[in-house]
Amino acid sequence: DQQVKQNSPSLSVQEGRISILNCDYTNSMFDYFLWYKKYPAEGPTFLISISSIKDKNEDGRFTVFLNKSAKHLSLHIVPSQPGDSAVYFCAASEGYGQNFVFGPGTRLSVLP
Amino acid sequence: SQTIHQWPATLVQPVGSPLSLECTVEGTSNPNLYWYRQAAGRGLQLLFYSVGIGQISSEVPQNLSASRPQDRQFILSSKKLLLSDSGFYLCASRFDSNEQFFGPGTRLTVL
Repeated sequence: DQQVKQNSPSLSVQEGRISILNCDYTNSMFDYFLWYKKYPAEGPTFLISISSIKDKNEDGRFTVFLNKSAKHLSLHIVPSQPGDSAVYFCAASEGYGQNFVFGPGTRLSVLP
Repeated sequence: SQTIHQWPATLVQPVGSPLSLECTVEGTSNPNLYWYRQAAGRGLQLLFYSVGIGQISSEVPQNLSASRPQDRQFILSSKKLLLSDSGFYLCASRFDSNEQFFGPGTRLTVL
């Protein structure tokens, strides 16, 4: 049973528009969430995180929104750039220092 | 900052052959270390993690084993590879933060 789900395997967006990547989770004990970005044949790199005491965290073009009641989070990228084309993984943990559970990833393609 | 090295970058091995993948970490001491596998079209599956030398926890039953002979060295092994062991293997490190830093990965193809 997948505890972290990313139901869209892929997403295509025009350059300059908003990209919205979604993530759902089933474990109500999760209270810390992260997004990682991965290029082919490379390791994932940390992008942005959010703890359950917040419902929004912003870092430049990247904003993560958390809806605890819906067990849903989303990553917004505005404006999208071709260099954002990558696989994005959502991850969750039950607390600081606990192991992460990763979603299956969403492949984002930003078209010029 | 932490730097994670993995080698080899790619590996093609026949079924039944042994495996040894190495991961070393720079820039930190006593990190938590992790081995993940990304199978084709799937997410990152945690295989093993270690909180210290000689301490290994296995997350899933499998054909692989892990060892941590030194503080900043983490090794993934198998005595006999299976076709299902093919995938992209990632080592990660975490120290004094809630983010994990990943190495560049090893692409393993078992034929």
